[in-house]
Amino acid sequence: GAVVSQHPSWVICKSGTSVKIECRSLDFQATTMFWYRQFPKQSLMLMATSNEGSKATYEQGVEKDKFLINHASLTLSTLTVTSAHPEDSSFYICSAIYRDRAIYEQYFGPGTRLTVT
Amino acid sequence: GENVEQHPSTLSVQEGDSAVIKCTYSDSASNYFPWYKQELGKRPQLIIDIRSNVGEKKDQRIAVTLNKTAKHFSLHITETQPEDSAVYFCAPNSGGSNYKLTFGKGTLLTVNP
Repeated sequence: GAVVSQHPSWVICKSGTSVKIECRSLDFQATTMFWYRQFPKQSLMLMATSNEGSKATYEQGVEKDKFLINHASLTLSTLTVTSAHPEDSSFYICSAIYRDRAIYEQYFGPGTRLTVT
Repeated sequence: GENVEQHPSTLSVQEGDSAVIKCTYSDSASNYFPWYKQELGKRPQLIIDIRSNVGEKKDQRIAVTLNKTAKHFSLHITETQPEDSAVYFCAPNSGGSNYKLTFGKGTLLTVNP
């Protein structure tokens, strides 16, 4: 159990276009999901917290108008990179919180590799 | 916010040796201490975690020890195998309702056959 999927697994887009990435919790409901970005040989950097039914909370330095997050259901959060530029090329990873009474764990999606040309 | 330091940044050991990675954090409210393993191009995988009511937890060749007074926790891998080669991240969390993890910079572990 506790499986998180992402789609697509990789995408190449042209500079100036927008790209949408989906994150799904397949066998559990997740009121909270997270979006991370990881550049080569670096750690995961939290971009935003996605809460079902409310606005996302963005980390300092992350442009909310550029990285649009929608958490419309308990199993789906989407990240849209608007007007993408080459510097947005990165590995984007989502995660979802699985709760079992007082215990919680964070499960990660397989990641989406975005290349902007 | 939480400041996390992880050492060493790289670690090379011979197969069968032990490996220890240390993580230091700043938020005294932190109460959940996981370690993740990430292979190249893959998602982070939770390998072991500990909560603040215990000082040590072991799962076969992997163990985590916690020192809340000193604000650090460590990952111990015994009898290392080549398949243990990966990047390892600590990610302490302050708990509560936000579940946010702050990742360390990672440790590249190489196990030489």
